[in-house]
Amino acid sequence: DQQVKQNSPSLSVQEGRISILNCDYTNSMFDYFLWYKKYPAEGPTFLISISSIKDKNEDGRFTVFLNKSAKHLSLHIVPSQPGDSAVYFCAARFQGAQKLVFGQGTRLTINP
Amino acid sequence: EAQVTQNPRYLITVTGKKLTVTCSQNMNHEYMSWYRQDPGLGLRQIYYSMNVEVTDKGDVPEGYKVSRKEKRNFPLILESPSPNQTSLYFCASSFGGAREKLFFGSGTQLSVL
Repeated sequence: DQQVKQNSPSLSVQEGRISILNCDYTNSMFDYFLWYKKYPAEGPTFLISISSIKDKNEDGRFTVFLNKSAKHLSLHIVPSQPGDSAVYFCAARFQGAQKLVFGQGTRLTINP
Repeated sequence: EAQVTQNPRYLITVTGKKLTVTCSQNMNHEYMSWYRQDPGLGLRQIYYSMNVEVTDKGDVPEGYKVSRKEKRNFPLILESPSPNQTSLYFCASSFGGAREKLFFGSGTQLSVL
C-alpha cells in the first residue's frame, strides 16, 4: 500500500517556465514533508521541507505547498533551468517517529 | 568534506553468500538509515538508527540486519541474500532524525544471482 504517491512518472517543461511536481499521501499521521532531488549515479540530495502546521515554504526558486485537507503536496520550480533535470522524490515522516516514506519519484526534464 | 561513504559501489554475488555493505559518515550525525530503490517503488526504508546501539525497523526489514556499534558506522548485512534483494541501496545520515536534511551516500548496486 503506497502511502505516498507521485502519480506522474515523468514531466517535461520548457526552460524558464514553471515546473510543478505533485505528491499525494493517505496517512494523516504524517507531520513533516520533504523533497529530494536525484541525479543519475548519485545519492538523493535534500531540496526543501515543510511542516504540517504550515501551508507554504519557499527557498529561492523552490516553493513547496501543502494542502492538508486534500492530503496533497506540490513543489514549484520557477524559473526552471536545465540543471533541474533530475528525479524528484517527495517523502513524509510519521508524527513522533523516525520512519520516512518516499514516493515513487518523478523524472523532470527541462528542455532548452 | 562532509560525506557519507558507502562501499562497495557495485557488488555481484550469489544466492546465500553472506555480504556486508559498509556505510560511514564524518559529520557526527546521530541518525543513520538504509534505503533500497526499486523501479516504480521509489525509496523504501530498511532500517534506521537514532544512536549507538539503537536501531529500528523501517518498512522492508526482512532479510536484512544492521548494527550501530560506533556513531560513524552503520553496516547493512545480508546473511543469506536472495535474488529479490537485487536493488540499489543508499545509506543516509542526519543530525536530528528523519525530519532533518538527510545526507545520502552514492549508492551500492547489488545483484544477487
